[in-house]
Amino acid sequence: EVQLVESGGGLVQPGGSIRLSCAASGFTFTEYWMNWVRQAPGKGLEWVANIDDFGRVKNYGESVRGRFTISRDNAENSLSLQMNSLRAEDTALYYCVRNRGYETFDIWGQGTLVTVSS
Amino acid sequence: QSALTQPASVSGSPGQSITISCTGTSRDIGTYNFVSWYQQYPGKAPQLIIYDVSNRPSGVSNRFSGSKSGNTASLTISGLRAEDEADYYCFSFGAAFGTGTEVTVV
Repeated sequence: EVQLVESGGGLVQPGGSIRLSCAASGFTFTEYWMNWVRQAPGKGLEWVANIDDFGRVKNYGESVRGRFTISRDNAENSLSLQMNSLRAEDTALYYCVRNRGYETFDIWGQGTLVTVSS
Repeated sequence: QSALTQPASVSGSPGQSITISCTGTSRDIGTYNFVSWYQQYPGKAPQLIIYDVSNRPSGVSNRFSGSKSGNTASLTISGLRAEDEADYYCFSFGAAFGTGTEVTVV
């Protein structure tokens, strides 16, 4: 079964850091670009970042550029998101998402919740 | 990248057809045939239902269809059912997610 399982979410203070992880299984991880997409409570979807299959090309949304870093470990079939200088507006459910073709998001994890609050 | 514009809500009766629009620009929808649509139930992760403007992934009902004209993409749900009540989002290469549409079956 194709599966993405996120972990690492929690409560963090403004200005703090947190690292999210995503474990992939059921498919050849090295053949796919991967993404992080977030959804603030009661709000719509926002694309956060993506990374190519080799881990060399990385793209970020404007709201997180310079603060978040996406990475992957192909030996471990895992994706990560290092989130620094967190703000209240970063509070959201963060989804790990597989890319199919040109930015088509075909497999989604269940998400991990990050809450930024003092 | 700017958000694509969708109506906040669309409603219909069981058996009817409804259409959700997704408006972008000549830099995204107007240029690329890489529009996708996602269905999201409350408390659940989104699910891909249309990709590359009009293609359905395996297992998605043929009641869902997609199209594009100029800078606007559309999702049509035919034979509306109670189970179609959900939020729907579009996405285009070169842009971002749409603002989302809540579908209600009345």
